[in-house]
Amino acid sequence: QVQLQESGPGLVKPSETLSLTCTVSGDSISNYYWSWVRQPPGKGLEWLGYFYFSGSTNYNPSLKSRVTLSVDTSKNQFSLKLSSVTAADTALYYCAKEIPGRTSFDLWGRGTLVTVSS
Amino acid sequence: QSALTQPASVSGSPGQSITISCTGTSSDVGGYDYVSWYQHHPGKAPTLLIFDVNKWPSGVSNRFSGSKSGNTASLTVSGLQAEDEADYYCSSYTGRRTMIFGGGTKLTVL
Repeated sequence: QVQLQESGPGLVKPSETLSLTCTVSGDSISNYYWSWVRQPPGKGLEWLGYFYFSGSTNYNPSLKSRVTLSVDTSKNQFSLKLSSVTAADTALYYCAKEIPGRTSFDLWGRGTLVTVSS
Repeated sequence: QSALTQPASVSGSPGQSITISCTGTSSDVGGYDYVSWYQHHPGKAPTLLIFDVNKWPSGVSNRFSGSKSGNTASLTVSGLQAEDEADYYCSSYTGRRTMIFGGGTKLTVL
């Protein structure tokens, strides 16, 4: 049974870089596509970008210049970096597993709250 | 890239059916048969209810059904139950390996 767990700092200062990691257990990270999704307080879901272990990535056009996704196959983890954060980046951040070729997410982590504040 | 349009809230009584709409454009909902629906209970991970407009992932009740007409997709929940009270989100492929979510709909079971 595949499980996902997000981790990272819960508080980030404005203008700094937010860094989160998603640890995959129960299967190899190389077998699927992975995405990050966030939900600001009181708002809806926003897709940030997807990643495949081969290095193939794509990002939400509205965040493309600030988002970087990467993978550590030795640890079965993939990571999100979001640069130059502002209070608008305060959100619950989820990692999610994609049904191959469907841009549909059949498994999500529990999410981790990141607050941007000085 | 604006979010897909969903009603902010819908409600129904136990046993009834409700439908949630998800309106996009010909560049997303209308252009691809890759619409998904998610149920989200606050504090928990979202769960996939429908993918590819009208397909069920393993283990999802057939009380949830999806359809699409033109630029609008719909999720119907039949035989409403108290545990169906949650937030519901649609999503659509938008081409070039990108996707977009709807703004979300809060379902209240009266």
